[in-house]
Amino acid sequence: DQQVKQNSPSLSVQEGRISILNCDYTNSMFDYFLWYKKYPAEGPTFLISISSIKDKNEDGRFTVFLNKSAKHLSLHIVPSQPGDSAVYFCAAQGGLGGSNYKLTFGKGTLLTVNP
Amino acid sequence: NAGVTQTPKFQVLKTGQSMTLQCAQDMNHNSMYWYRQDPGMGLRLIYYSASEGTTDKGEVPNGYNVSRLNKREFSLRLESAAPSQTSVYFCATSQARTEKLFFGSGTQLSVL
Repeated sequence: DQQVKQNSPSLSVQEGRISILNCDYTNSMFDYFLWYKKYPAEGPTFLISISSIKDKNEDGRFTVFLNKSAKHLSLHIVPSQPGDSAVYFCAAQGGLGGSNYKLTFGKGTLLTVNP
Repeated sequence: NAGVTQTPKFQVLKTGQSMTLQCAQDMNHNSMYWYRQDPGMGLRLIYYSASEGTTDKGEVPNGYNVSRLNKREFSLRLESAAPSQTSVYFCATSQARTEKLFFGSGTQLSVL
């Protein structure tokens, strides 16, 4: 059962516009959420995170929104740049015992920013 | 430069062969992880080590073994490789909980 879902395998936007990447989760025990970015032939790199006690977190052009009642989070990139073209993974953490050490990842969304 | 180093970067095996993927970190992190990435499947946890001396199964541990050799090194062993283990393998570290995982650059493994 997939606990973290990224329902859009790909997204294409124009340079300068907003990119919105979505993520849904099913496990109500998740209490920390992260976004990772991955370029081809490289490992994923941490982008931004949010705790369940917040509903928004900003870092420069990147903002993550969390809607706990809907079990939904989104990553906004404004303005989008061609260098943002990558696969974006949503990940979640939380629960009892050992699960605190385990991140559950979504399948990823390929973002393409066109010049 | 500080980071997570994986070796080898590429490997081709025949079915039934064994091999060990190596991971070393110089970030002084306590926790280390092995993930695999398959097309359309995202990243799935194979094994993790919360701290030196401990290891635990992740989501997809079958066919793998791990060794936390010391605080710096965490190896992943395939005893008898199968085509289903063709994947890109990533080692990662974190200071404690899995927030802000730091990943290596990956090992692309093909099992024929």
